Amino acid sequence: DAGVIQSPRHEVTEMGQEVTLRCKPISGHNSLFWYRQTMMRGLELLIYFNNNVPIDDSGMPEDRFSAKMPNASFSTLKIQPSEPRDSAVYFCASRGQGAVEQYFGPGTRLTVT
Amino acid sequence: KQEVTQIPAALSVPEGENLVLNCSFTDSAIYNLQWFRQDPGKGLTSLLLIQSSQREQTSGRLNASLDKSSGRSTLYIAASQPGDSATYLCAVYGGAGSYQLTFGKGTKLSVIP
Repeated sequence: DAGVIQSPRHEVTEMGQEVTLRCKPISGHNSLFWYRQTMMRGLELLIYFNNNVPIDDSGMPEDRFSAKMPNASFSTLKIQPSEPRDSAVYFCASRGQGAVEQYFGPGTRLTVT
Repeated sequence: KQEVTQIPAALSVPEGENLVLNCSFTDSAIYNLQWFRQDPGKGLTSLLLIQSSQREQTSGRLNASLDKSSGRSTLYIAASQPGDSATYLCAVYGGAGSYQLTFGKGTKLSVIP
């Protein structure tokens, strides 16, 4: 199994631009999570999908952030417009049906200048 | 709200030394606890997952213990090596079946040759 796949691995963009991060969960997993890691706040859950449905988006910081999961094998996290304070590493994780352990992707390092 | 604390934030030891990393959490009603390793610029690698019914888990030179009543976990690394240098993250899962994974900010370990 290839594990959780994220793209791009690095993204540098200018303030005000739209940014789209992508995630492919492990095949057969039915839960997907987006996390953000910063020096100040550590790792924080942004949004949780179960069977492609958003269950908890209370961690999404602002309306500038949106996430979708159109099918079981793909999810996006979009920031529009981006701001310098959005600079962070964004991780995607997935989990199997009835399981507890979450498996993390390699992350996307976002820099907004 | 669950809070996870890891002390110290950074630790430097000579090669060959045994060491202990500490993790504490405020709400003892956790389901599982997991230790991760994060190398600079990389994703999270799962080291050990301790389920609620367990007291400890071992993998090679690593041993993790869990004391739910006191809200503490330790990660013991025997005979440390320079390759062990990384940031170690502790994370707790909420109640049974919960997706709530709360992370500590990590302990950055440096093993000096």
